[in-house]
Amino acid sequence: NAGVTQTPKFRVLKTGQSMTLLCAQDMNHEYMYWYRQDPGMGLRLIHYSVGEGTTAKGEVPDGYNVSRLKKQNFLLGLESAAPSQTSVYFCASSYTQGAQYFGPGTRLLVL
Amino acid sequence: AQSVTQLDSQVPVFEEAPVELRCNYSSSVSVYLFWYVQYPNQGLQLLLKYLSGSTLVKGINGFEAEFNKSQTSLHLRKPSVHISDTAEYFCAVSDDGNTGKLIFGQGTTLQVKP
Repeated sequence: NAGVTQTPKFRVLKTGQSMTLLCAQDMNHEYMYWYRQDPGMGLRLIHYSVGEGTTAKGEVPDGYNVSRLKKQNFLLGLESAAPSQTSVYFCASSYTQGAQYFGPGTRLLVL
Repeated sequence: AQSVTQLDSQVPVFEEAPVELRCNYSSSVSVYLFWYVQYPNQGLQLLLKYLSGSTLVKGINGFEAEFNKSQTSLHLRKPSVHISDTAEYFCAVSDDGNTGKLIFGQGTTLQVKP
């Protein structure tokens, strides 16, 4: 079991560029989440999904889009990157209401 | 709205000493509570969870926590810490059974000194 994996591990973007972060889980979890982690602010929820084909906004959704076309994958897109989106991004998954299991993170630097 | 407060941003402690990391949440409705640990440059790892039942919860790596409903708290404890316990610790709460969303505290950095 690989658990939750994230691709890429590190990326540098220029302002205005776009990119997609991929999250994959092999635990057959229904729920998946995208967070960003910034110093002194803990983790903040960007978007989440409670099942294949469904997505919903979290606490800080502006500037991001997501898709869940397959149960095991959850994609996070940045259409036009801004320096304020420099952060560490974590994906997590869970069975309904229970412990969430996290990926190793993607470090994104927007210049 | 639910909120989580971790009362200490940094906790320095000497090796083999006991430690307590404090966590309070805002709502008294039924909640699920979690503690996670994050080692440098890694993701979050589940330490323990409180869903219901006994108020004393055992976790991994010798950690335990005590749930106190009246004080809306789940404080994390370890009787004797090791250098390897140096990490950031996050408390999180969920009160939404339909989405499983977690609200995280801002984290406590545990610094274990030799």
